[in-house]
Amino acid sequence: SQELEQSPQSLIVQEGKNLTINCTSSKTLYGLYWYKQKYGEGLIFLMMLQKGGEEKSHEKITAKLDEKKQQSSLHITASQPSHAGIYLCGADPNSGYALNFGKGTSLLVTP
Amino acid sequence: SAVISQKPSRDICQRGTSLTIQCQVDSQVTMMFWYRQQPGQSLTLIATANQGSEATYESGFVIDKFPISRPNLTFSTLTVSNMSPEDSSIYLCSVEEDSYEQYFGPGTRLTVT
Repeated sequence: SQELEQSPQSLIVQEGKNLTINCTSSKTLYGLYWYKQKYGEGLIFLMMLQKGGEEKSHEKITAKLDEKKQQSSLHITASQPSHAGIYLCGADPNSGYALNFGKGTSLLVTP
Repeated sequence: SAVISQKPSRDICQRGTSLTIQCQVDSQVTMMFWYRQQPGQSLTLIATANQGSEATYESGFVIDKFPISRPNLTFSTLTVSNMSPEDSSIYLCSVEEDSYEQYFGPGTRLTVT
């Protein structure tokens, strides 16, 4: 089965700093999904990447998928306390399949 | 994007009882999934529920414990049967749209005492 490894496991950054979260797959990705989760709540969809080398941005968050489609990074520019939460990467082996998830990266942004 | 609601949002149940969780989508979707997130853990797929066919369960999950219904393209239920404290988790439904984007409901937080 496909395994996803996220790093770092947790992150504390000062407000205004940039940060990067990585997600590495043991197999080629068909689709790579990024979600944000507040404690005890549902997952908020951030972005989906499907093509090698693809990059997408939404507000201050940018996600990239490498050419080999086995690694993705999520970059937050000028972090704010509202960015705090758990970031999860998910991958599907093919369209129409449920996602396998990494263990998540817990982000805390301090004033 | 699809808007998904779940009921109840949270519940506290006694050991040995059952709880049915509802998932409602504001648009018709073919693919629907049920996940479990145990405390401090990531998401684990319970089953895939497609309308018109029996749910497909992942290893470690059985129909007798987690019966699922999918009567139409906008609704599904998951029942957690004969509950034990180990079933305390957040249960989430998700859907895949034609764009392949997958969206999640707000989750049902279950505590079994």
